[in-house]
Amino acid sequence: AQSVTQLGSHVSVSEGALVLLRCNYSSSVPPYLFWYVQYPNQGLQLLLKYTSAATLVKGINGFEAEFKKSETSFHLSKPSAHMSDAAEYFCAVSHYGGSQGNLIFGKGTKLSVKP
Amino acid sequence: NAGVTQTPKFRILKIGQSMTLQCTQDMNHNYMYWYRQDPGMGLKLIYYSVGAGITDKGEVPNGYNVSRSTTEDFPLRLELAAPSQTSVYFCASSYDAGWDQPQHFGDGTRLSIL
Repeated sequence: AQSVTQLGSHVSVSEGALVLLRCNYSSSVPPYLFWYVQYPNQGLQLLLKYTSAATLVKGINGFEAEFKKSETSFHLSKPSAHMSDAAEYFCAVSHYGGSQGNLIFGKGTKLSVKP
Repeated sequence: NAGVTQTPKFRILKIGQSMTLQCTQDMNHNYMYWYRQDPGMGLKLIYYSVGAGITDKGEVPNGYNVSRSTTEDFPLRLELAAPSQTSVYFCASSYDAGWDQPQHFGDGTRLSIL
């Protein structure tokens, strides 16, 4: 069975500092991996996805994530945090051939950005 | 572009009442999904549909029903509301099989059962 673990339910950084949000997955077959962002009172928006092409994936708003098979990780990072990055971030996993509805979400990490 | 539209945005129900959460998408997506989001728990799949007339249960289907008579619409029905169904409900859609396709989300319906 697939699962996703996001380390840290809350992360706080200063404006301009590095953002690093951690995601580890468990999957017995090659995974597809996603990062979504949720702003207050809104739905989830796709930040980026990994689908077995390049292991370093660039997304919107300056975010990127690196797929490391040996570490079963897909951490999200941004070199310099902006106040507008404050939101909740969700990592999710699926795999080819799984149940059609089988997108498994982590519990989320809430990012706060201090001025 | 409207994308995925959910109505209502907020609702308070009494225990035992019923209601339908509406979801419509204008992207001609075949796949549609209903999730519930509880604080600190991520999103849990309630039901999904791979096309008009075809629905299937997700991880937490008890207490809910769905139908898919058209490509655009995927309503979620609560028959006998219970306090455990207090949650934020999200509808989503995707174009293809969903394994490597991103899902597009509505803004949610915030439901309280008192």
